[in-house]
Amino acid sequence: AQTVTQSQPEMSVQEAETVTLSCTYDTSESDYYLFWYKQPPSRQMILVIRQEAYKQQNATENRFSVNFQKAAKSFSLKISDSQLGDAAMYFCAYRSPNSNSGYALNFGKGTSLLVTP
Amino acid sequence: DVKVTQSSRYLVKRTGEKVFLECVQDMDHENMFWYRQDPGLGLRLIYFSYDVKMKEKGDIPEGYSVSREKKERFSLILESASTNQTSMYLCASSSPGQGNTEAFFGQGTRLTVV
Repeated sequence: AQTVTQSQPEMSVQEAETVTLSCTYDTSESDYYLFWYKQPPSRQMILVIRQEAYKQQNATENRFSVNFQKAAKSFSLKISDSQLGDAAMYFCAYRSPNSNSGYALNFGKGTSLLVTP
Repeated sequence: DVKVTQSSRYLVKRTGEKVFLECVQDMDHENMFWYRQDPGLGLRLIYFSYDVKMKEKGDIPEGYSVSREKKERFSLILESASTNQTSMYLCASSSPGQGNTEAFFGQGTRLTVV
């Protein structure tokens, strides 16, 4: 099974500043999909951003962008102009194109982001 | 508004009880999943189903079983609850489509086994 590693259990950022959350993964597949999910205190998992491995261009969604380095197997999330509502647990996830896994997401252990005023 | 609904947000059960966690989705998704979430361990896949009456083991199936009699409903069963099954349980669903399809999650059931 593919391994997803988030090396930062906790991160802190000041409001309006920029923060980058790290994610690396291990796979022998050449085609796959990567995701960042956010879990606020309400516990509701929310998709933040997604990236197809065959796309060289980094995905962007408003204040959220990724730095996808396929050769390095790295998929970091950058949050610009941080807001108090960004405080949450962030999970990096890998999805194989192989249907044997039911297209299940394989998650990292998460990074808890604290946003200070 | 799409929804995955889990029947309980909080449950307290006794050791040895049979426990049912229910999940219903209204998006006509083929794929449904049960994850367990523990601090410092992230989300781990227990079981998944890609069709009615079909089920496959995930990474940590021991002590659990599942049932999918209808497309919209996926149940997780703890045959004989134990204290090490105290955890947060998350249900999710997605369409098979292309691999970049979004998975939608329920709000989780926090289960305590005493």
